[in-house]
Amino acid sequence: ETGVTQSPTHLIKTRGQQVTLRCSSQSGHNTVSWYQQALGQGPQFIFQYYREEENGRGNFPPRFSGLQFPNYSSELNVNALELDDSALYLCASSRRFSGGGETQYFGPGTRLLVL
Amino acid sequence: GESVGLHLPTLSVQEGDNSIINCAYSNSASDYFIWYKQESGKGPQFIIDIRSNMDKRQGQRVTVLLNKTVKHLSLQIAATQPGDSAVYFCAENTEGGSYIPTFGRGTSLIVHP
Repeated sequence: ETGVTQSPTHLIKTRGQQVTLRCSSQSGHNTVSWYQQALGQGPQFIFQYYREEENGRGNFPPRFSGLQFPNYSSELNVNALELDDSALYLCASSRRFSGGGETQYFGPGTRLLVL
Repeated sequence: GESVGLHLPTLSVQEGDNSIINCAYSNSASDYFIWYKQESGKGPQFIIDIRSNMDKRQGQRVTVLLNKTVKHLSLQIAATQPGDSAVYFCAENTEGGSYIPTFGRGTSLIVHP
């Protein structure tokens, strides 16, 4: 296990609703990234948070927003849900350090179904 | 745009055989590559990584080879086991201070007992 936890594990919402997904990062990690993974596809980067600030964003509309808290846990919020938002949402934590890459460790994901 | 991709979407092997999963990348500035394994219903699991200043790196039963000349990456799994059945993703890290790996679609490895 990676030590990264996500909640809830599964969620069903209807179109137009709002959803909040949560992630607890691995101990000692200061960076959290969120990904959307559609069925049969690779994870697509949504955004990344480092020390409570957004530190990069993928090609997702503003209705996808996030937060990182002082304990480095994070939330992903999606407003005005659309059917195409149905996917597995993955959180990955990592420890940023100077002069090197950072390995990301993924949580088990939250499966979101929008009806 | 530049992308990461995989040559084969599905690879079927017999238990005990060696498996080779290939990946092509097009961003010559990428300097860090990672292989992930994703089992059904789970998040991607880190397997092994390699930096662009290396050609080869070995782990337990796995070896990653990097050929920067042709921008090709491969994952070799020795003595493949049924538990190795999963989707394997290669990912490259973008440049700059933010390490944000770009994932390809993945290769499904099926190991027959």
